[in-house]
Amino acid sequence: DSGVTQTPKHLITATGQRVTLRCSPRSGDLSVYWYQQSLDQGLQFLIQYYNGEERAKGNILERFSAQQFPDLHSELNLSSLELGDSALYFCASRDLGGEQFFGPGTRLTVL
Amino acid sequence: AQTVTQSQPEMSVQEAETVTLSCTYDTSESDYYLFWYKQPPSRQMILVIRQEAYKQQNATENRFSVNFQKAAKSFSLKISDSQLGDAAMYFCAYRWKTSYDKVIFGPGTSLSVIP
Repeated sequence: DSGVTQTPKHLITATGQRVTLRCSPRSGDLSVYWYQQSLDQGLQFLIQYYNGEERAKGNILERFSAQQFPDLHSELNLSSLELGDSALYFCASRDLGGEQFFGPGTRLTVL
Repeated sequence: AQTVTQSQPEMSVQEAETVTLSCTYDTSESDYYLFWYKQPPSRQMILVIRQEAYKQQNATENRFSVNFQKAAKSFSLKISDSQLGDAAMYFCAYRWKTSYDKVIFGPGTSLSVIP
């Protein structure tokens, strides 16, 4: 158990819909990263927050957005969903030494 | 732009034998982090080993060790005494050591362990 929690574990929805994925970092970690892993593919970095502020941005679509709240939990919002958005979405938090700890992931299926 | 390459999509090793997974990267930075992550069928991402670029000594964690060749920009993972539980996808990753706090992952190597 990494100490990073993600909810829900599984999500099934239809094209055109909007979903919210939630992540709570390890206690004391200020950084939260979001990654997308499509079937049989590596991890694509989406976005990173540090203490409530956006720190770095990767290949995140305009239909996707994220935020980090004062209690440091983060939400990833995916809208106008397409079939290709079906993937495993990971959240990770980072300690001061640079090591990332990954959550168990949210499996999103868009039908 | 920084890139991470893993040239072996699939590898296999006999149980109890040794296997080396390759990773090369491209960067103009002099200080950074390198990681190997394991992703078993459960899909959980598990940190195997990390290396800081300014440290010349190769990192070691039990049966896992790396061969870090900074000039060649190579970061291979050696797994000794392979066990069935080592079967997984292995990802090499690079992280900046600056305020630009992004991580890049390689495409992964699928490792099979043959009993």
